[in-house]
Amino acid sequence: GAVVSQHPSRVICKSGTSVKIECRSLDFQATTMFWYRQFPKKSLMLMATSNEGSKATYEQGVEKDKFLINHASLTLSTLTVTSAHPEDSSFYICSARTLRGAERSQGYTFGSGTRLTVV
Amino acid sequence: AQKITQTQPGMFVQEKEAVTLDCTYDTSDPSYGLFWYKQPSSGEMIFLIYQGSYDQQNATEGRYSLNFQKARKSANLVISASQLGDSAMYFCAMSGGDYKLSFGAGTTVTVRA
Repeated sequence: GAVVSQHPSRVICKSGTSVKIECRSLDFQATTMFWYRQFPKKSLMLMATSNEGSKATYEQGVEKDKFLINHASLTLSTLTVTSAHPEDSSFYICSARTLRGAERSQGYTFGSGTRLTVV
Repeated sequence: AQKITQTQPGMFVQEKEAVTLDCTYDTSDPSYGLFWYKQPSSGEMIFLIYQGSYDQQNATEGRYSLNFQKARKSANLVISASQLGDSAMYFCAMSGGDYKLSFGAGTTVTVRA
């Protein structure tokens, strides 16, 4: 089945630095990538949607200058948290959607998530 | 706008018994999809089952079945013969015309031996 590789799985960074999270579709082309944020024991909140070669669409309330999303190719999307602060500490997870075939999951494949801690 | 409601924050179930997780939804899209995902403590999202809004029959996937009642806008998940490995957080989600997935608040299931 379709696999999305997300790295790093865990990262600790100092306040004020930037962190890049990568999601790579291994055996398919991801036409759309969704980025979510999740606080402990809470729901997944959609941050932004990106399509290959075009600018990401951010959900209301999400700072586009803080959370930079790049979807430069059909197999790679990145989320960069710029000038990170402790309140940015969270679990970030990507989900790729492909139009390839009819799959049980309806084309949605999730990365394994990145736990970001800003100290 | 889409809205998913899961009213059960946590549930306990005895091993080998069945458990029903509630999910209601609201949408203005005529065509939509309903999903259930399992999220263990590791954080990965595991797809369980899917129901299309025009599907006539309730979806089943092994021990998982989806009780779809369109008129009531509900899509409850039934897990039969619970196992200790079923302990996790479960999310109901919906996709609409824009293909974005909206998630409910989640239900934590704890299976007792």
